[in-house]
Amino acid sequence: AQSVTQLDSHVSVSEGTPVLLRCNYSSSYSPSLFWYVQHPNKGLQLLLKYTSAATLVKGINGFEAEFKKSETSFHLTKPSAHMSDAAEYFCVVSDGGYGNKLVFGAGTILRVKS
Amino acid sequence: EAQVTQNPRYLITVTGKKLTVTCSQNMNHEYMSWYRQDPGLGLRQIYYSMNVEVTDKGDVPEGYKVSRKEKRNFPLILESPSPNQTSLYFCASSPSIGPYEQYFGPGTRLTVT
Repeated sequence: AQSVTQLDSHVSVSEGTPVLLRCNYSSSYSPSLFWYVQHPNKGLQLLLKYTSAATLVKGINGFEAEFKKSETSFHLTKPSAHMSDAAEYFCVVSDGGYGNKLVFGAGTILRVKS
Repeated sequence: EAQVTQNPRYLITVTGKKLTVTCSQNMNHEYMSWYRQDPGLGLRQIYYSMNVEVTDKGDVPEGYKVSRKEKRNFPLILESPSPNQTSLYFCASSPSIGPYEQYFGPGTRLTVT
């Protein structure tokens, strides 16, 4: 069975400082991994995805994530936070198998202080 | 514009009154799915459909029904809503099974009193 653990429910950073949102996963298959962002009162938007190609994945708005199989981690980073990055972030795993189910982490709320 | 639409966006209803939340996509996607979002739990899959007339249960199907009579539409039906179904609901679609991005609708906030 697949599972996702987001290690922090809330992260607070100052504008202009680095962002690190941590995610560990468990999967019996070769997983596909995603990060989605949800701004207040909005739907979910894909930030980036890993599908067994390059282990360092670049996404939109300056975000990137590194797939580390040995650590079963897929942490999301950004060098410099912007006020507009304040949102909830979800780490997601999919095996692409029957059901094509996405398994979501509980989410990390990112607060950006001015 | 490629999109997933849901209606209504907000709904307040009473226990036991049947309701339907519609979902439609204009991308000719084969795969569609319903999720509910609850605080601290992320999103959990309710039902999914891999193509017309093919549907199956997700992780939390109790109290819900779906149908897929046309490729573009995937309505979610609550035949007898209860307060524990108060939640934020998302419909999603993707081209097929596999490592594809799922495109999400804007969400439907349902309150059952």
